[in-house]
Amino acid sequence: AQTVTQSQPEMSVQEAETVTLSCTYDTSENNYYLFWYKQPPSRQMILVIRQEAYKQQNATENRFSVNFQKAAKSFSLKISDSQLGDTAMYFCAFMDSSGAGSYQLTFGKGTKLSVIP
Amino acid sequence: GAGVSQTPSNKVTEKGKYVELRCDPISGHTALYWYRQSLGQGPEFLIYFQGTGAADDSGLPNDRFFAVRPEGSVSTLKIQRTERGDSAVYLCASSLSRDSYEQYFGPGTRLTVT
Repeated sequence: AQTVTQSQPEMSVQEAETVTLSCTYDTSENNYYLFWYKQPPSRQMILVIRQEAYKQQNATENRFSVNFQKAAKSFSLKISDSQLGDTAMYFCAFMDSSGAGSYQLTFGKGTKLSVIP
Repeated sequence: GAGVSQTPSNKVTEKGKYVELRCDPISGHTALYWYRQSLGQGPEFLIYFQGTGAADDSGLPNDRFFAVRPEGSVSTLKIQRTERGDSAVYLCASSLSRDSYEQYFGPGTRLTVT
């Protein structure tokens, strides 16, 4: 079974500054995806960024980038130029893509990010 | 196009009652997932449908929970003899196929059992 750990229940950042959210995971699989999802108060889970485990290059999406350390099983999210609209819960998630399972997502407990004007 | 929709948005019921929660996935998506998100937690997997069949129901907590997807589109999550511990947000997600990495989530149904 896979586990995902987010050790920062809450974080805050000044508008326009940079913040990094931490995530570690545990798995015995070699083929998997990692994701960061954003959940604003509306409850809608929104995909922020994904990383395929076989890719060494870190994924980037505009102001969002990840630091993927496969050997350390670490997957942190960096948000640059933070905006007020980034205020939300952020969830790290794991998906086994080995083909044996149902491709369900395993989530961490989340980090509540507040962007301060 | 339309995203995943869930009804009702909020449901309050008394302990012991039966409830049904509905999910309308994105048209053409064959894979459908239900997750449960308790207060202060991340979503937890309940059940996965590929087409009409429940391919993986390993996350259902007990036999009071059941889900169907009779025509391979709309899905209904059914909870019998509700308990206060069932209070949570129930999220539905769909994807184009099982191995499509991106799951699209609905806004969830907040269930409160009094």
